[in-house]
Formats: sequence, structure tokens, C-alpha cells
Amino acid sequence: DQQVKQNSPSLSVQEGRISILNCDYTNSMFDYFLWYKKYPAEGPTFLISISSIKDKNEDGRFTVFLNKSAKHLSLHIVPSQPGDSAVYFCAARSVPFGNEKLTFGTGTRLTIIP
Amino acid sequence: SAVISQKPSRDICQRGTSLTIQCQVDSQVTMMFWYRQQPGQSLTLIATANQGSEATYESGFVIDKFPISRPNLTFSTLTVSNMSPEDSSIYLCSVEWTKGTEAFFGQGTRLTVV
Repeated sequence: DQQVKQNSPSLSVQEGRISILNCDYTNSMFDYFLWYKKYPAEGPTFLISISSIKDKNEDGRFTVFLNKSAKHLSLHIVPSQPGDSAVYFCAARSVPFGNEKLTFGTGTRLTIIP
Repeated sequence: SAVISQKPSRDICQRGTSLTIQCQVDSQVTMMFWYRQQPGQSLTLIATANQGSEATYESGFVIDKFPISRPNLTFSTLTVSNMSPEDSSIYLCSVEWTKGTEAFFGQGTRLTVV
């Protein structure tokens, strides 16, 4: 049972435009969400996170939006740069109820076209 | 931020043999984990490496197949035992400095079993 889903395996975006990566989850106990970026032959790098008490968190070019009622989060990258080409994973966890394991989505490969 | 070093970075092994992967962190950390990423799939938690006691394994993973050591707060090993081609994956060491928040990853070990 895939509790965290990234339905787009790949996405291509023109350099300078906005990249929007989407993630859906099914477990209503999840209350902390993260995005990771992964280059080939490297481990995932933490990008940005959001707690369920917020609906938006911003860090430079990266903004994460959380819609709890829809069980949906998205990562916006503006403007997109060639170095953003990577695989992006969303992840979720439930903190207060002791199930603190991170559950990952299957990833979206983002390609930025120069 | 701290450095998380894994070795080997990659290996090709014969079926039936075992491989031990090392993870070294350059500062003490309480929470240390091992993940697996099978080809085209998401990251899956294998176990939590507990310092001074037996690791805590997730459903589907057993100590006989994936023995883990954690002799101190900066080092852990994962052994993949009696390997078969189905064990071909990327194995990742991960740490969390604050429980229940962001996880940080080593560069991963790409294992191919032939």
C-alpha cells in the first residue's frame, strides 16, 4: 500500500519557468512532510519541510504548499535552473503518535531544459 | 552540517556472499537508520540502528539477512548476507539530529549481485 504517491514519474520544464512537483498521501496521521532532491550516485539531499500546522513554507526559490483537506502537497521551484535537474522525493511522517518512520514517494525526475 | 560517509560507494558481488557497508558520521548522533532503494522504487526503511542494543527492524526485514552493528554514536555497519540478485539496490545510511524531523543521508552504496 503506497501511502505517499508521486503520480508523475517525470517532468520537463524550461529554464527560468516554474517547476511544480506534486505529491499525494493517504494516511491522515501524517503531520510532517519533506522534500528531497537526489542526483545520480549521491544520497538524497534535504530541501524543505512543512508541518501540518502550516499551509506554506518558503526557502529561497523553493516553496512547499500543503492542502490537508485534499491530502496533497506540492513543491514549487521558481525560477527553475539547470542544476535543479534531479529526482525529487516527497516524504511524510507522523510524529505525535510514535510512528516516526519516514514514508517516501517513488520520485519525480525533473529535467530543466536550457 | 555534519558529513555522513558511506563505503563502499559501489560493489559487484557474487550471489551467496555477504557485503558489509560502513557508515561514519563526523559528529555524535542518536538516531541512525538504514534504507534501501530498489531500482525504480522509493526509499524503504530497513531498520533503526540502536547504539548498544539490537537494531529495530521494519516489517519484511530480518536480522539474519541484514545484521546491523552500532558500536558507538558515530558509526554503524549494515551487512547484506547470502546475497541474491534481488538484493541489488542502493543502500543508504541516514541520521536525524532532532527526532521526528529531517533525515540526512550518506551518498549511498550501489550493490549489484551477479
